[in-house]
Amino acid sequence: GAGVSQTPSNKVTEKGKYVELRCDPISGHTALYWYRQSLGQGPEFLIYFQGTGAADDSGLPNDRFFAVRPEGSVSTLKIQRTERGDSAVYLCASSTSGTSGMKTQYFGPGTRLLVL
Amino acid sequence: KNEVEQSPQNLTAQEGEFITINCSYSVGISALHWLQQHPGGGIVSLFMLSSGKKKHGRLIATINIQEKHSSLHITASHPRDSAVYICAVPLIQGAQKLVFGQGTRLTINP
Repeated sequence: GAGVSQTPSNKVTEKGKYVELRCDPISGHTALYWYRQSLGQGPEFLIYFQGTGAADDSGLPNDRFFAVRPEGSVSTLKIQRTERGDSAVYLCASSTSGTSGMKTQYFGPGTRLLVL
Repeated sequence: KNEVEQSPQNLTAQEGEFITINCSYSVGISALHWLQQHPGGGIVSLFMLSSGKKKHGRLIATINIQEKHSSLHITASHPRDSAVYICAVPLIQGAQKLVFGQGTRLTINP
């Protein structure tokens, strides 16, 4: 069956531009997670959705970052006024409901963002 | 101090050797995850465990809740095991927000 997919796989943009990163979770997974991974580091939590709502957005670094999941399936991570420090791999994961204990998370291949 | 610390950061071994990667954490947890990341970025969940020991093929994961320590072992290592291995724990017990270790880069030479 289809896993988690992310588009684009690579994105190069200029400082100050706006970017959108898309995540298609596994069908039927109600929980969706965004992470950011800088070179040589482990992933860093950004935001977690349960259904359409952001259950925990405490990892978003500042108000330039925003994520939506309007229909409880596909999610878009939006970054305004990009900065060079935003360059990283953005990972998405999904799982079955996260409301009853830890669930195995299934990761997408990531979007590699480079801000010049 | 990071909530999750892994050791070693880098490990090179010969094919066939027994491998141990360690993870220590400072938060109370409900379950710990071991993940594998191959070059190119893809992450695969290997184990999620909250007590004792789990085994899958040549991979074994153990956890000691009292000591806040987990180990990932690989028996009869193979070059295809070369990857970055990452442990992750929820920041708050029962929560979904994971905190990740920095990863252990494993290289198995033929």
